[in-house]
Formats: sequence, C-alpha cells, structure tokens
Amino acid sequence: EAGVTQFPSHSVIEKGQTVTLRCDPISGHDNLYWYRRVMGKEIKFLLHFVKESKQDESGMPNNRFLAERTGGTYSTLKVQPAELEDSGVYFCASKAGLSSGANVLTFGAGSRLTVL
Amino acid sequence: GQSLEQPSEVTAVEGAIVQINCTYQTSGFYGLSWYQQHDGGAPTFLSYNALDGLEETGRFSSFLSRSDSYGYLLLQELQMKDSASYFCAVSRASGGSYIPTFGRGTSLIVHP
Repeated sequence: EAGVTQFPSHSVIEKGQTVTLRCDPISGHDNLYWYRRVMGKEIKFLLHFVKESKQDESGMPNNRFLAERTGGTYSTLKVQPAELEDSGVYFCASKAGLSSGANVLTFGAGSRLTVL
Repeated sequence: GQSLEQPSEVTAVEGAIVQINCTYQTSGFYGLSWYQQHDGGAPTFLSYNALDGLEETGRFSSFLSRSDSYGYLLLQELQMKDSASYFCAVSRASGGSYIPTFGRGTSLIVHP
C-alpha cells in the first residue's frame, strides 16, 4: 500500500506570506495527525482528525494556523501569515481505527518550511 | 501534561550494544513507544510497551518499568545504518483515541 505522502517536501517563503501544506494519508485511515519539529526540539503535536472532524487541536500554536480535512481524505495545513518561528518540519501521520494499536502511527517524510 | 527526557546524543561502534533511556511524566499512561528517524526521512515505528518487561524484535528490544516511569531501547549488533534519531513517546487519551507525545530524540552515531 502507498504510504503517507506530504507535499511540498520543502518550502521557502518570506515572513508574512502564506503557505499550504498537504498530507495524503494511507487510504482508509480515519485518524490523521499533524506534528511539527523545530530543529533540536521534540516532535510536537499540533492536531488530530478523526475522518473530517477535528478531534483534538490543543497543540495548534495560534490562529495563524488552519487545518482542514474535507471529506475525510487528504488534509491541508495553512499558515497565514507566516512568521519566522514557524520554520520547522511539519509531519503528518495516519492510523487506521482504534483497534490498530494505541501508538503505531505511520508518518510521512515531512514538509520542511523555511520562513525568511 | 506530559514530558519525556532522553539523552541528546549517544555514540557507539559497529557491532556493539547501546541502550537509549527514556524517563517520562504523564497523567494517564497508555504505553511507551519508540520511533526511528533517519535524516530527512519519516519517523518509523520500532516498538511498543504497554506492560512492564522486555519486548524483543530482532536486534532491537524495548523495556518498560511503569513504577519507575522509565523505559529504554536496546540496540544490539549495531550497524552503520542504525545511525539515526530515536524518539520515545507516551500516549494520552483524547476523545476515544490516543495522542502520542514525543521526546526530543536521541541522535545515535555509529562509528566503524
């Protein structure tokens, strides 16, 4: 089966611009997670979708970040307007149902965002 | 809240055994898991412990002591390809599902 796909792999934008990151989870996976890693720090949770519903968005840093998952398939994460501290690698991960294992997520390779 | 502590870097030689420790604080425990990430790649699942004891998967083993809020990942017969970052994670419950919280990762450098 195809893995989790993220696009773009790398984006360089200027402060104040907008960027939209896309994640295609494994087909049929209801659970979709967004994480971010700033260099040298932890992989930090941003939010969790179950199908098209936001189950937990407690990790979203502020209202400049907007995540959507229309139709419960792919997801987008928009940063508008981008700030310097938004630089980092944004990871998407997916998981099937609740019975598939509490901690086993399949990650994408990440989208590296550089804000200048 | 949740927090995890693991060493920032560990070095070892090819063929050796290395242990990466992880201590955690969490309200509600739903297992300790380990992920491996090579530079520029996706974190990939290695191992999961829900109960105390040792879980073995090939050259990798993971141990958990819930009373000590402590676990470790043991890598045996180290190979150059094992050079990567290793993350421990504990999960919290959220609306019928689980959210893994990750540590800062341990960079393992394997020398010839």
